[in-house]
Amino acid sequence: GAGVSQSPSNKVTEKGKDVELRCDPISGHTALYWYRQSLGQGLEFLIYFQGNSAPDKSGLPSDRFSAERTGGSVSTLTIQRTQQEDSAVYLCASSLDAGDGETQYFGPGTRLLVL
Amino acid sequence: AQSVAQPEDQVNVAEGNPLTVKCTYSVSGNPYLFWYVQYPNRGLQFLLKYITGDNLVKGSYGFEAEFNKSQTSFHLKKPSALVSDSALYFCAVSSSSGTYKYIFGTGTRLKVLA
Repeated sequence: GAGVSQSPSNKVTEKGKDVELRCDPISGHTALYWYRQSLGQGLEFLIYFQGNSAPDKSGLPSDRFSAERTGGSVSTLTIQRTQQEDSAVYLCASSLDAGDGETQYFGPGTRLLVL
Repeated sequence: AQSVAQPEDQVNVAEGNPLTVKCTYSVSGNPYLFWYVQYPNRGLQFLLKYITGDNLVKGSYGFEAEFNKSQTSFHLKKPSALVSDSALYFCAVSSSSGTYKYIFGTGTRLKVLA
C-alpha cells in the first residue's frame, strides 16, 4: 500500500521567507509526527498529533515553527521567517495509533535549504 | 530523561562477516526499542522492534537485535553482512512513561567492504 508521502522533496528558499512542508500519512493512521534531521544534531522530535487531541508541540524549536493537521489526515509544517539554521531534512512519520511501542513509518523527507 | 547512545559513528565490516551495531539506552519505565535504516536521500525504514517477550528480536533483511535489560543495550546484529547493507542505522527508544515520541541515537554508518 501507499506509504507516507511528503512534498516538496526539496525546497530552496531565501532567509526571511516563509515555507510550508506537507505530509500525507498512511491511510487510517491516527498519529502523525514531525522530526528534523540536521547535520550534527541527529534526529529531533518536533510535534505530534493524535486524533482530535491537542498536539504535543514540545519539540518545536521556536515560535517561528507551527504545524496543523486538517481533518485528521494531511499535515502542514510552516516555518516563518526562515533562518539558515533551519536548513535540514524534515521527516514526517505516522503510526496506526498512538501508544507505547507503536511502529512509526517515515516518509522520504523534505530537504530544506535556506540561503 | 530518555536518551539513546550509539557509541560508534562508523562500523566497517567485510562482506560475509558478522556485523554488530551498538545501542544503549536510558529511560524511566519500560523501554520500547527500535532500529531503522536510512539509505542515501531516503527516509527511515523500519527494521525491527522490541516491546516485550523474547529478548532476541528478528526483523527485516536478516537483521536481529538482542535486548539486554541489565546492560540497557539493544545491539543490532546480522550473521553475514552484504555490501547492500551499507547505510546509516538509527536506534530509537520510547517508554511506558506515557510519551509516544521517539528519542533517536545519533546514527551509525555501516560500511560493508567487498
